[in-house]
Amino acid sequence: GAVVSQHPSWVICKSGTSVKIECRSLDFQATTMFWYRQFPKQSLMLMATSNEGSKATYEQGVEKDKFLINHASLTLSTLTVTSAHPEDSSFYICSARPGEGSTGELFFGEGSRLTVL
Amino acid sequence: QKEVEQDPGPLSVPEGAIVSLNCTYSNSAFQYFMWYRQYSRKGPELLMYTYSSGNKEDGRFTAQVDKSSKYISLFIRDSQPSDSATYLCAMSPGGYQKVTFGTGTKLQVIP
Repeated sequence: GAVVSQHPSWVICKSGTSVKIECRSLDFQATTMFWYRQFPKQSLMLMATSNEGSKATYEQGVEKDKFLINHASLTLSTLTVTSAHPEDSSFYICSARPGEGSTGELFFGEGSRLTVL
Repeated sequence: QKEVEQDPGPLSVPEGAIVSLNCTYSNSAFQYFMWYRQYSRKGPELLMYTYSSGNKEDGRFTAQVDKSSKYISLFIRDSQPSDSATYLCAMSPGGYQKVTFGTGTKLQVIP
């Protein structure tokens, strides 16, 4: 299957700082990437859809100024958690679809665990 | 009512058993159906991907989709302790529309 790489896999930061997480599609181009948040023992919560060359589409209740998404190329999307607070501590996962207009098949990164002290 | 319903488990079975995991859904627009396996603190791994109704087999895994009943299943034959994980069903109308996930079923295969 297609490979999606996410970095860093875990990060610890102080409250008030910003953290950037990268999501790369290694063997395919992705015009669309997705960012999810997962709480312990819960399913994936879609945060936003990242579109190459245009603004991200955020789900209801997700603060776009807090979670900055940039999709600068067909293989890279970044999520920046700005002015992080302890309640932002979570497991963040990205996913991508190969090709344009492709079907629902999604491939996921390994996830990034953020701990805000 | 949630768009996708999945029993959270946990489901415990002895090694070698046949495991049946299921999801029901309410959105008749769903055309593409996926099963993901997620180990603790890891990203989901795509196991099976099917389009519309029918069966698909890959090794010990069989995915079934019954669109008339809005019901999908994943069967695992000869289950192994390494199959212990959370299994997520997911579905989409296709194209650029978002994928909707079930809450996941935690499976434990006991040696």
